[in-house]
Formats: sequence, structure tokens, C-alpha cells
Amino acid sequence: NAGVTQTPKFRILKIGQSMTLQCAQDMNHNYMYWYRQDPGMGLKLIYYSVGAGITDKGEVPNGYNVSRSTTEDFPLRLELAAPSQTSVYFCASSLVGLGSSGQETQYFGPGTRLLVL
Amino acid sequence: RKEVEQDPGPFNVPEGATVAFNCTYSNSASQSFFWYRQDCRKEPKLLMSVYSSGNEDGRFTAQLNRASQYISLLIRDSKLSDSATYLCVVNVFNDMRFGAGTRLTVKP
Repeated sequence: NAGVTQTPKFRILKIGQSMTLQCAQDMNHNYMYWYRQDPGMGLKLIYYSVGAGITDKGEVPNGYNVSRSTTEDFPLRLELAAPSQTSVYFCASSLVGLGSSGQETQYFGPGTRLLVL
Repeated sequence: RKEVEQDPGPFNVPEGATVAFNCTYSNSASQSFFWYRQDCRKEPKLLMSVYSSGNEDGRFTAQLNRASQYISLLIRDSKLSDSATYLCVVNVFNDMRFGAGTRLTVKP
């Protein structure tokens, strides 16, 4: 199993450009998540999905969109890149949903480093 | 007040030392608790879940005090390979909230 994979590893965007961060998992997990991590800060949840066709907002969804057409893929879309979106983006998946009494291990991808200039 | 607070460190300890990290959380309705480990420029990886009764995994011991809203991680007999940032994570109404992490460096 490859686990959770993310592409690209690194990207530089100009202000106003758009891009899609790709995320895929081959563990047949229903639950998938997108986080961002700013320097010296904890991860913050952007969006999550409990299954194909179902997505919901996390703590910091503004400026992002997601879709979940298959169990395996969960792309994150930035429509109008802004310097405030410079961050490291992590995708994660889990077998069980949150609130499962400590069993909800999240598996993270290697991250995408995004720089918006 | 941050939802999950950790001492940022850094903690610099010699090999073989015992080191303890603390974490406090603000929401008393938090449901589940974890310690994750993050190596420099890498993704977080689950170290252990934290249960009310306390739990141990080899050299690592985690404790939870719900009354004080406090979580701890104890590492005994530190190894060079334990050098990393340790993230305290709290599940608040089905939303995982991460602390900023405590950085540990174990030196020869």
C-alpha cells in the first residue's frame, strides 16, 4: 500500500492564480481530511469528507473548495491564491470517523509546500 | 485562549534522560486525545492515543486528567531517534485540534 499520497510536493503560485492539490489513498478509508500547517503553529482543519459525495467545512475553509467523487481521491482547490495561503498542506485519511473513543488514527500524506508570491 | 496549549520548548536532553511534556485543553467536552510525532519537514504520525486510565507503550507513558483538562507524555531512556516535535491532539466535537507542538532534541 502506498498509503496517502499528495502531489505536487512543492509549488510557487502568483497572487490570483488557481491550483488543485491532489490527494489519494489506497487504504479504502471513508474519512479524508485537509489540513494546513503554518510555521510554528498546529495543524488546522480546512475541509473533511465522510465518504464519496459528502464534504463539510472545518475550522478554516475560506478560500478553498473540495470535492469527493471517489473513495480514493480528495482534491483541494485554491481559486484565487493569496499570500495568506502560503503554508504546508497535509491530507489525511482514517478508517473510522472522529469521536470513536481514541480509535480514529489519522494517516497523513507527505504534504505539499505552497508559496504564494 | 488557545484550544490546545503546549510548551513549545525546545527541550534539549542527553541520551538516557527522562523527559515529560504537558498539554492543556480548553474544551471540557473534548472526546478523545492523542500524541502525534512530527519529524522536521515531515508529516505527523500517531504516537499513541491517551486514555483516562493512562497507558504505556514501551518507553512512552501518556496520562489524561479530565478534571484538570491536562494531558502528559513521559519518555523514559531517551534515544537520539526520539528527537522530533510532539503534537498534542484533542478531538473536539469531531474536529481534531492540534497543539503547536513541543520540540525535543536528544543529544549524545
